[in-house]
Amino acid sequence: AQTVTQSQPEMSVQEAETVTLSCTYDTSESNYYLFWYKQPPSRQMILVIRQEAYKQQNATENRFSVNFQKAAKSFSLKISDSQLGDTAMYFCAFTPQGGSEKLVFGKGTKLTVNP
Amino acid sequence: DAGVTQSPTHLIKTRGQHVTLRCSPISGHKSVSWYQQVLGQGPQFIFQYYEKEERGRGNFPDRFSARQFPNYSSELNVNALLLGDSALYLCASSQWTGYAVQETQYFGPGTRLLVL
Repeated sequence: AQTVTQSQPEMSVQEAETVTLSCTYDTSESNYYLFWYKQPPSRQMILVIRQEAYKQQNATENRFSVNFQKAAKSFSLKISDSQLGDTAMYFCAFTPQGGSEKLVFGKGTKLTVNP
Repeated sequence: DAGVTQSPTHLIKTRGQHVTLRCSPISGHKSVSWYQQVLGQGPQFIFQYYEKEERGRGNFPDRFSARQFPNYSSELNVNALLLGDSALYLCASSQWTGYAVQETQYFGPGTRLLVL
């Protein structure tokens, strides 16, 4: 079975500081894709960053970067220079290559950025 | 460009009724997926449709069905509603074509369904 585990139900960080959200996954697939999605209180799910498993280089998008450890099946998200607008639920998600587009989500981490 | 749109935004039904939720994908996207998000949980995959054919089905009972139209919009139908069907139903679209690369899914705002 393919599963995604986010072990931190809630986290908080001060504005302008750095925070890391954890994610581990379990799969027997060799080729797959990993995503971090953000869901603000308005509920619209927004893509933050994606990583292809065959790429060794960690993905970055402005203040967001990932630490992808394929052997450990770990995919953490680092947010630098946190902003109040980063307050949201963050979901880690996995999908294998091919077949269907089924995304398997973790339960999420509620991040609060404090002024 | 318009994003993924869903209607209605909110819906209240009673047990045993049926409901139809609608989704319009981003222009040019031919793949539509449906997810159920129960309060406090991550979304769970229900269906994926591509070119009007079902390409994936999650672990949901047969009370759940869907279809995709020639314009790539989609409907999710749920029959014989149960209290446990109360959730946010999310639609996502992508440029997926069934080949090796997995495209990013873009989500709509969701339909909040409450079953009383």
